[in-house]
Amino acid sequence: DVKVTQSSRYLVKRTGEKVFLECVQDMDHENMFWYRQDPGLGLRLIYFSYDVKMKEKGDIPEGYSVSREKKERFSLILESASTNQTSMYLCASSITGPNYEQYFGPGTRLTVT
Amino acid sequence: QQQVKQSPQSLIVQKGGISIINCAYENTAFDYFPWYQQFPGKGPALLIAIRPDVSEKKEGRFTISFNKSAKQFSLHIMDSQPGDSATYFCAARKVQGAQKLVFGQGTRLTINP
Repeated sequence: DVKVTQSSRYLVKRTGEKVFLECVQDMDHENMFWYRQDPGLGLRLIYFSYDVKMKEKGDIPEGYSVSREKKERFSLILESASTNQTSMYLCASSITGPNYEQYFGPGTRLTVT
Repeated sequence: QQQVKQSPQSLIVQKGGISIINCAYENTAFDYFPWYQQFPGKGPALLIAIRPDVSEKKEGRFTISFNKSAKQFSLHIMDSQPGDSATYFCAARKVQGAQKLVFGQGTRLTINP
């Protein structure tokens, strides 16, 4: 079974703090994704990576950056957290090819106060 | 043109009834349409998917109906059960940057016993 794990289920940070969200997948997937989930807005893509050290902006990259130094690990960084970044953050991974299933982690609920 | 619009936002169905969730898209370059199911505290998981060369796909009690000319697709859950209570997301794949999915806003489905 594919397993995508996220470093924290719940996180509370203060405005202005630097925040790191970590994601690890164990299936040697090339592609990894970061989404945020907000009620009524669905899942919105922040960044994705199709290879080590490669990244591409999604639909809402402002205020975020990412790092992928190893194939299995994809980090989301909030350089200076703001209250409007309070959300559920979901990581996903997939292979490249006809099967486009994305496998999701359980999510990190981040609250910025 | 990159949006996927999903309705309704919430739905309550009696046990044994049919649940129907609808999605519409604008970008005719989309060529893969999955549905994801998310239970509380979990990440979304692929439920069923369809490509535009067929008008219907059925897996057990779950059916996707696809209308290419109207640019609409829908999920039908037959004989709905309390265990089907979850949030459902439709999605579509962009051809450009082929691994990215665009998600609908989500539907919270409640099946009353």
